[in-house]
Amino acid sequence: DQQVKQNSPSLSVQEGRISILNCDYTNSMFDYFLWYKKYPAEGPTFLISISSIKDKNEDGRFTVFLNKSAKHLSLHIVPSQPGDSAVYFCASLSYNTDKLIFGTGTRLQVFP
Amino acid sequence: DGGITQSPKYLFRKEGQNVTLSCEQNLNHDAMYWYRQDPGQGLRLIYYSQIVNDFQKGDIAEGYSVSREKKESFPLTVTSAQKNPTAFYHCASSPGVLMNTEAFFGQGTRLTVV
Repeated sequence: DQQVKQNSPSLSVQEGRISILNCDYTNSMFDYFLWYKKYPAEGPTFLISISSIKDKNEDGRFTVFLNKSAKHLSLHIVPSQPGDSAVYFCASLSYNTDKLIFGTGTRLQVFP
Repeated sequence: DGGITQSPKYLFRKEGQNVTLSCEQNLNHDAMYWYRQDPGQGLRLIYYSQIVNDFQKGDIAEGYSVSREKKESFPLTVTSAQKNPTAFYHCASSPGVLMNTEAFFGQGTRLTVV
């Protein structure tokens, strides 16, 4: 039972354009959401997060949007750069627990 | 210099042998995690610990065991009961549930069983 789903395994975007990565979740108890970036043979690194009391959080080129009624969040990267090419994971924390659940990841490729 | 350390980065073992992966953090974090990643797949939770001397099974705990005798250490043992142990293993830590902040990851350990 996949509680956090990233239905697009890959995404290809031209440099300078917007990258939109999507994530859906099924557990209404999730109240904190995170995005991580991962390069091959390295550990994931934190990008940006959002609490369920918000619907948007922005940090530089990265913006995360949360739609609680749809149980959907998305990560926007504007403008996309070649260095953004990596695998992106969304993750969720349940209310009152430390169980951190990850999605299956989306491989982003930004081409010149 | 605070961080989370996994060692070694690459590990080879013969089939049927138990192997223990090390994870140490000096961030004073309460919560620690172990994840497994297979090629083309996401991070699947093996075990997690919210506090010393306590841990819970994740989604794929069969064939693995952990201990949390010290706050800074959360070793993972891959036992011979794990049918497909070859994978990339990631350890992470976070301040804990009341902090609602990100988890920090180590560099990972690539385990190959031959």
